[in-house]
Amino acid sequence: AQSVTQLGSHVSVSEGALVLLRCNYSSSVPPYLFWYVQYPNQGLQLLLKYTSAATLVKGINGFEAEFKKSETSFHLTKPSAHMSDAAEYFCAVSDPTENTGKLIFGQGTTLQVKP
Amino acid sequence: NAGVTQTPKFRILKIGQSMTLQCTQDMNHNYMYWYRQDPGMGLKLIYYSVGAGITDKGEVPNGYNVSRSTTEDFPLRLELAAPSQTSVYFCASSYGGMQPQHFGDGTRLSIL
Repeated sequence: AQSVTQLGSHVSVSEGALVLLRCNYSSSVPPYLFWYVQYPNQGLQLLLKYTSAATLVKGINGFEAEFKKSETSFHLTKPSAHMSDAAEYFCAVSDPTENTGKLIFGQGTTLQVKP
Repeated sequence: NAGVTQTPKFRILKIGQSMTLQCTQDMNHNYMYWYRQDPGMGLKLIYYSVGAGITDKGEVPNGYNVSRSTTEDFPLRLELAAPSQTSVYFCASSYGGMQPQHFGDGTRLSIL
């Protein structure tokens, strides 16, 4: 069975500082991996996805993530945080052999950006 | 483009009542999903559908039912509401298994 663990339910950074949100997965097959962002009272929006192409994936709003098979990780980074990045972030995994697109989500990480 | 539209946005139910959460998408997506989001738990899949007439259970299907008679609509039915079903419900859709899902803005449901 697949699972996702996001280390740290709350992360606080200063504006302009590096953002690092951690995601580790468990899967018996190389998975598809996604990062979604949720702003208050809204649905989830896709930030970026990994589907077995390049291991370094660039997404929207300056975010990127690197798939590291040896570490079973897919951490999300952004070089310089902006106030508008404050939101909840979810890492998710799906099994490409099923072709159902079912997502298993991590618990989420709330990013706080301090001025 | 409307994308994925969920109605209602908010609802309060009494224990034992029933209701249907509506979800419609205008992107001609074959795949649709229902999730529930509880604080600190992420999102859990309730039911999904890979096309009209085809539905299947997700991680937490108990207490819910779905139908998919058209490509556009994927309603979620609660037959006997219980306090444990208090949650935020999200509907999502996608073109296929490896494609990203597009989410609605959610329905906040409280059962008292």
